[in-house]
Amino acid sequence: AQSVAQPEDQVNVAEGNPLTVKCTYSVSGNPYLFWYVQYPNRGLQFLLKYITGDNLVKGSYGFEAEFNKSQTSFHLKKPSALVSDSALYFCAVRDVSSGAGSYQLTFGKGTKLSVIP
Amino acid sequence: DGGITQSPKYLFRKEGQNVTLSCEQNLNHDAMYWYRQDPGQGLRLIYYSQIVNDFQKGDIAEGYSVSREKKESFPLTVTSAQKNPTAFYLCASKNSGGNNEQFFGPGTRLTVL
Repeated sequence: AQSVAQPEDQVNVAEGNPLTVKCTYSVSGNPYLFWYVQYPNRGLQFLLKYITGDNLVKGSYGFEAEFNKSQTSFHLKKPSALVSDSALYFCAVRDVSSGAGSYQLTFGKGTKLSVIP
Repeated sequence: DGGITQSPKYLFRKEGQNVTLSCEQNLNHDAMYWYRQDPGQGLRLIYYSQIVNDFQKGDIAEGYSVSREKKESFPLTVTSAQKNPTAFYLCASKNSGGNNEQFFGPGTRLTVL
């Protein structure tokens, strides 16, 4: 079974400050990890993913995430927040060891990021 | 929202009626998915299809049905058996390969009156 947790329903940060949105996961094997962003009444947009290799993954719009296997975490970060970053952020996981016939992702419940001017 | 279209954007239904949500993709993706999104609950998988003429139930398939007659199309029918159908419905597609990301459509907001 695979699961993902986003422990914070909401994160508030001042514009220009660094931001972190937390994600922890649980899989039986190795994980594929993804971050998505959703603006109001819109679909999800892909930000970045970790498959293998470098633990620090860089993605769209200046976001990055750090894979930490020992802590089973994949926190999303950005050095300097913009008001336009305000949105709902979803972490998702897929267990690499799940069968080739299953490409299901498990999503967290989402974290609402508010960047205050 | 890439090459995935969903229609309509807003849909109103009376209780007891079936309604079909459209999802079309021009990305030549093999796999397609339907999710339901409710406030505070994230995304929950309704159905998914990895190839034409084949689909599997997700976590919350009861009260829903799908078909996959063409690679580019994956319509979702919300039947009268779905007890609480008011939600935001998202369609996604994905290329072959387990490490590829899913691409999402803009969503359909269904409201039961």
